[in-house]
Amino acid sequence: AQSVTQLDSQVPVFEEAPVELRCNYSSSVSVYLFWYVQYPNQGLQLLLKYLSGSTLVKGINGFEAEFNKSQTSFHLRKPSVHISDTAEYFCAVVSGGYNKLIFGAGTRLAVHP
Amino acid sequence: NAGVTQTPKFRVLKTGQSMTLLCAQDMNHEHMYWYRQDPGMGLRLIHYSVGEGTTAKGEVPDGYNVSRLKKQNFLLGLESAAPSQTSVYFCASTSGVGQETQYFGPGTRLLVL
Repeated sequence: AQSVTQLDSQVPVFEEAPVELRCNYSSSVSVYLFWYVQYPNQGLQLLLKYLSGSTLVKGINGFEAEFNKSQTSFHLRKPSVHISDTAEYFCAVVSGGYNKLIFGAGTRLAVHP
Repeated sequence: NAGVTQTPKFRVLKTGQSMTLLCAQDMNHEHMYWYRQDPGMGLRLIHYSVGEGTTAKGEVPDGYNVSRLKKQNFLLGLESAAPSQTSVYFCASTSGVGQETQYFGPGTRLLVL
């Protein structure tokens, strides 16, 4: 069975600084990876996804992620964060067909002025 | 186009009471999912459905039942609520074609006393 590990439960960062949120997955033949964002008291919305092709994936709000098969990682990055990026971020992998997702435990990003 | 909606938004139950959570989507999606979100554990799949009249167990199905009598609706039932079912419940849907994005509802916060 697939699994996802988000290595940091909380990441504090100052506004306009770069940030990286780390995600590792268990290896499988076919890997489909997602990053979702959850703003306070809201549902999840898709930031970006990797299905195939280019290993550098660009998403909404200036975020990007790089799929690294040898390191089984899919880290999320943003070169300059805003206060409005404060949220919880979830990495997920498709597991077992029917688009079922396995989520990591989440990383809470706190952007400080 | 409302996307995915969930009813109710909040609910407080006493141990042993029953309730039904309603998820509705207006995107003509085939697949629907129920997750629970607990602190430090990400989202875990309770049950899912790949079409009208079909349901299947996810990762944490015990204590829950589901029904999909209409394509647009996916109901989650708690027959005898327990404090361990205190959580935030999210519904999601996807078209079912390929590895498509799941679209999430806003969530239902449930407290079982």
